[in-house]
Amino acid sequence: AQKITQTQPGMFVQEKEAVTLDCTYDTSDPSYGLFWYKQPSSGEMIFLIYQGSYDQQNATEGRYSLNFQKARKSANLVISASQLGDSAMYFCAMREINNDMRFGAGTRLTVKP
Amino acid sequence: NAGVTQTPKFQVLKTGQSMTLQCAQDMNHEYMSWYRQDPGMGLRLIHYSVGAGITDQGEVPNGYNVSRSTTEDFPLRLLSAAPSQTSVYFCATRRGEDEAFFGQGTRLTVV
Repeated sequence: AQKITQTQPGMFVQEKEAVTLDCTYDTSDPSYGLFWYKQPSSGEMIFLIYQGSYDQQNATEGRYSLNFQKARKSANLVISASQLGDSAMYFCAMREINNDMRFGAGTRLTVKP
Repeated sequence: NAGVTQTPKFQVLKTGQSMTLQCAQDMNHEYMSWYRQDPGMGLRLIHYSVGAGITDQGEVPNGYNVSRSTTEDFPLRLLSAAPSQTSVYFCATRRGEDEAFFGQGTRLTVV
């Protein structure tokens, strides 16, 4: 069964605008972690942000924030003030207890000048 | 500080050949994992290890073997390569519940 779902294969955003990348997940574990990674065209995986299931507040890292809605099992990534360098693939991932990280299919973000 | 090093970066194999993808880390992380990345499917977990001497299967383990004799190394073995194993392979490490750090990837083509 698909654990992580990213429903947007591709997204476009105008430079300096904000964009939200969707992620929903499925788990019955009470304790889990949610991650977002960026993969530019060069291929490396870059960690962006982490949210723990027990965290009360949404995680933020610079221009990145994670909109965590536990009851809806969603963990959307919000990028504010988009830059051309934000054009990349973005992957949502979840890690459950006694298991390793599982990834969604990814969203390709293109920032337009 | 090299972090996570994967070798080789590129490899072409003939169907039926065997090979080992190497992964070495100098971060003293106990957790190590192997993923494969295919277009439209994100990264899928092949095998992982929570420490030396301990390994477990992920989502797509068939056709692959792993061992973990040291903290630093986690090789991935393809026993008899098949075209379906053409992919980009990533090794990752982490400490505890922290984020994972990835190697640069190995692009494998099986013809």
